Amino acid sequence: AQKVTQAQTEISVVEKEDVTLDCVYETRDTTYYLFWYKQPPSGELVFLIRRNSFDEQNEISGRYSWNFQKSTSSFNFTITASQVVDSAVYFCALSEALSGGASGSRLTFGEGTQLTVNP
Amino acid sequence: EAGVTQFPSHSVIEKGQTVTLRCDPISGHDNLYWYRRVMGKEIKFLLHFVKESKQDESGMPNNRFLAERTGGTYSTLKVQPAELEDSGVYFCASSHWVGFYEQYFGPGTRLTVT
Repeated sequence: AQKVTQAQTEISVVEKEDVTLDCVYETRDTTYYLFWYKQPPSGELVFLIRRNSFDEQNEISGRYSWNFQKSTSSFNFTITASQVVDSAVYFCALSEALSGGASGSRLTFGEGTQLTVNP
Repeated sequence: EAGVTQFPSHSVIEKGQTVTLRCDPISGHDNLYWYRRVMGKEIKFLLHFVKESKQDESGMPNNRFLAERTGGTYSTLKVQPAELEDSGVYFCASSHWVGFYEQYFGPGTRLTVT
């Protein structure tokens, strides 16, 4: 069975600090995808990034960067120069092929990390 | 383009009552998923529709839960009769493509069973 672990339940930083959210996953699949979602106070999950298991290049998007390391089964997320608007719950997720040979995928989520950025 | 919408945003019902949650996916998205987050735990998959067909309902907890997607547009998730452990946030998501593509989520329905 697949599993995603986000060991940090809550993180609190001061604005402009850098912060890294950890994500460790377990899967027996050779092909899989990893995702990060942000859940602001409004409640909806906002898609941030999707990475496939064959692409270990780090990715940077503005103040956001992601470090995918297959050797340690980790997909960590760093926010540089954090801002108050970054305060949210962040979820890491792993795709999983549906049962019975059906096409499509479902997401296996971690428990989320509550990030609070204080002014 | 409108996002995924869910109704109601909150629902408080008594144990034994029935509740129906509704999800309107992004227009044109054939894939619709239901997930649930209970007691601050991880978000767990419930089921997946492709158009009006149930592709996978292996995550449905028991037969008190019934999901439908008539006409392949909006979907409903009925809980009957509701139990205390059904409390949580129910999320709906949709995607255009089948496969390992990102899913777009709605704001969720917070269900409280007392």
